[in-house]
Amino acid sequence: GNSVTQMEGPVTLSEEAFLTINCTYTATGYPSLFWYVQYPGEGLQLLLKATKADDKGSNKGFEATYRKETTSFHLEKGSVQVSDSAVYFCALSDNYGQNFVFGPGTRLSVLP
Amino acid sequence: EAQVTQNPRYLITVTGKKLTVTCSQNMNHEYMSWYRQDPGLGLRQIYYSMNVEVTDKGDVPEGYKVSRKEKRNFPLILESPSPNQTSLYFCASGETSGRYNEQFFGPGTRLTVL
Repeated sequence: GNSVTQMEGPVTLSEEAFLTINCTYTATGYPSLFWYVQYPGEGLQLLLKATKADDKGSNKGFEATYRKETTSFHLEKGSVQVSDSAVYFCALSDNYGQNFVFGPGTRLSVLP
Repeated sequence: EAQVTQNPRYLITVTGKKLTVTCSQNMNHEYMSWYRQDPGLGLRQIYYSMNVEVTDKGDVPEGYKVSRKEKRNFPLILESPSPNQTSLYFCASGETSGRYNEQFFGPGTRLTVL
């Protein structure tokens, strides 16, 4: 079946540091890929998405590119802020957009 | 305000006592889904619904039931809860099947089964 693997956390960075959170997936067909963010005590919010190979999703300074050849969707941000501290989930949906699979999440802490 | 609401937010119960967690959305979304979140496992899909009267199993449906009699509501039913169903549960909704549109998540329901 489909699966998503994320780098283990927690990740601790200083403010203005560069962020990379690795995500790789296993899926049949043509999945869509997502990054969701969860702030403490809240539900998940969509951060960005990509629906086909070579698409780049971007939002709030975060970017991720759908790489079919390496089955990856790594999240990057050039300069993190304290307010970016949260748990980040990589996810995919199947061909039909019905079944969603999430990675285990990566906790990011940004120190001032 | 567009939102997904869940009730209750916190629930402590005992093994075998039937319970229902309600989920309601006010965005006229066709797609709704339930997830459970466990440490180190991320979110796992329990059930989803493409529209009224249409439901399907996700990856971990055992021990759960759902119904979709109205577009806005998608309750999660635990007929005989067990301790391994202690978890954080999220309901979500989306405009279509979710492939091209985002899912909107509720605030979560923390369930403890003793």
